[in-house]
Amino acid sequence: NAGVTQTPKFQVLKTGQSMTLQCAQDMNHEYMSWYRQDPGMGLRLIHYSVGAGITDQGEVPNGYNVSRSTTEDFPLRLLSAAPSQTSVYFCASSYTPGLVIYEQYFGPGTRLTVT
Amino acid sequence: QKEVEQDPGPLSVPEGAIVSLNCTYSNSAFQYFMWYRQYSRKGPELLMYTYSSGNKEDGRFTAQVDKSSKYISLFIRDSQPSDSATYLCAMSQLTQGGSEKLVFGKGTKLTVNP
Repeated sequence: NAGVTQTPKFQVLKTGQSMTLQCAQDMNHEYMSWYRQDPGMGLRLIHYSVGAGITDQGEVPNGYNVSRSTTEDFPLRLLSAAPSQTSVYFCASSYTPGLVIYEQYFGPGTRLTVT
Repeated sequence: QKEVEQDPGPLSVPEGAIVSLNCTYSNSAFQYFMWYRQYSRKGPELLMYTYSSGNKEDGRFTAQVDKSSKYISLFIRDSQPSDSATYLCAMSQLTQGGSEKLVFGKGTKLTVNP
């Protein structure tokens, strides 16, 4: 199993550009989520999904879109990049029997710089 | 006040020391309490999780939860240089839609010196 994979590993964008961060998992997990990690701010939830076709907002959703058409993939779209979106982005997935989140498996992260 | 408070440190200890890491929280609806370890430039990985008040031990690691005080701790015995990492506490809560999400502390950076 590859676990959770993220592409690209690094990205530099200019203000106003759009891009999609890719996330895939091969563990058949229903629950997937996106976090951003900034110095002094910890991990903050952007969007999450409890299954294909179902997404919801987290703590800091503005400026980001998500969709979940398959169990395996959960892409994060930046609509119009801003310097405030410079961060490290982590995707995570979980096995969720019932409603309980057990262990979240994190990807290696994407380091994004917006100039 | 943030829902989860965690002292970011940094914390530097000699090898073999007992390390105590702590988080406080304000939301009494939190159900599960977790500790994640994150090495530099890597994604976090789950170390321990617990549900009820009390202690849970796993090797050199002990997780402690006190729901009445809204306080959780992670103790590391006989700390090793390989324990040098950032430790994040996390807590789960049910959303209004009935699903569950995690809220993380800011993380405490630990360095264990040989």
